[in-house]
Amino acid sequence: DVKVTQSSRYLVKRTGEKVFLECVQDMDHENMFWYRQDPGLGLRLIYFSYDVKMKEKGDIPEGYSVSREKKERFSLILESASTNQTSMYLCASSLGGTVYEQYFGPGTRLTVT
Amino acid sequence: AQTVTQSQPEMSVQEAETVTLSCTYDTSESDYYLFWYKQPPSRQMILVIRQEAYKQQNATENRFSVNFQKAAKSFSLKISDSQLGDAAMYFCAYRSASRRGGAQKLVFGQGTRLTINP
Repeated sequence: DVKVTQSSRYLVKRTGEKVFLECVQDMDHENMFWYRQDPGLGLRLIYFSYDVKMKEKGDIPEGYSVSREKKERFSLILESASTNQTSMYLCASSLGGTVYEQYFGPGTRLTVT
Repeated sequence: AQTVTQSQPEMSVQEAETVTLSCTYDTSESDYYLFWYKQPPSRQMILVIRQEAYKQQNATENRFSVNFQKAAKSFSLKISDSQLGDAAMYFCAYRSASRRGGAQKLVFGQGTRLTINP
């Protein structure tokens, strides 16, 4: 079974803090994704990586950066957390190519106060 | 840019009954994939069913089936014999068949929260 894990289920941070969200997959997937989930808006793509050290901006990259130094790990970084970044963050991974399904992690609910 | 719309924020159904969740999408592409994902309360998102746009036959997975109307850009999910475990948030999603990197992302609808009444 594919397993996608995220470092925290719940996280509370203060405005201005640097925040790291970690995602690890164990199936040697080429693609990894970070989505943000908000009520009434569904999931929106923040960043996407299709290989180690390779990344592409998604639909809402402002205020975020990512790092992929190893194939199995994809990190989302909030350089200076703000209250409007309070949300659920979901990581996903898939094999390369569009036919393959994405497998999701359990999510991290981040609250910025 | 592609968009996906789920116009039903909430739905409810009696246990053992049938319910249909609606989804429409907008795209100028002819080749793409459509998905329904299920997100149970406090649990991970899982794939329910997938439809390739080039296939005319509607996909079916046990009690779950879709009604794919390509010309109308409609992709509804039918759940037959609803069970308590079907209670979840359901998301409709679109993905291009293009192999260009960013095209591999999923474009999601807003979600429909399904409640099963015992």
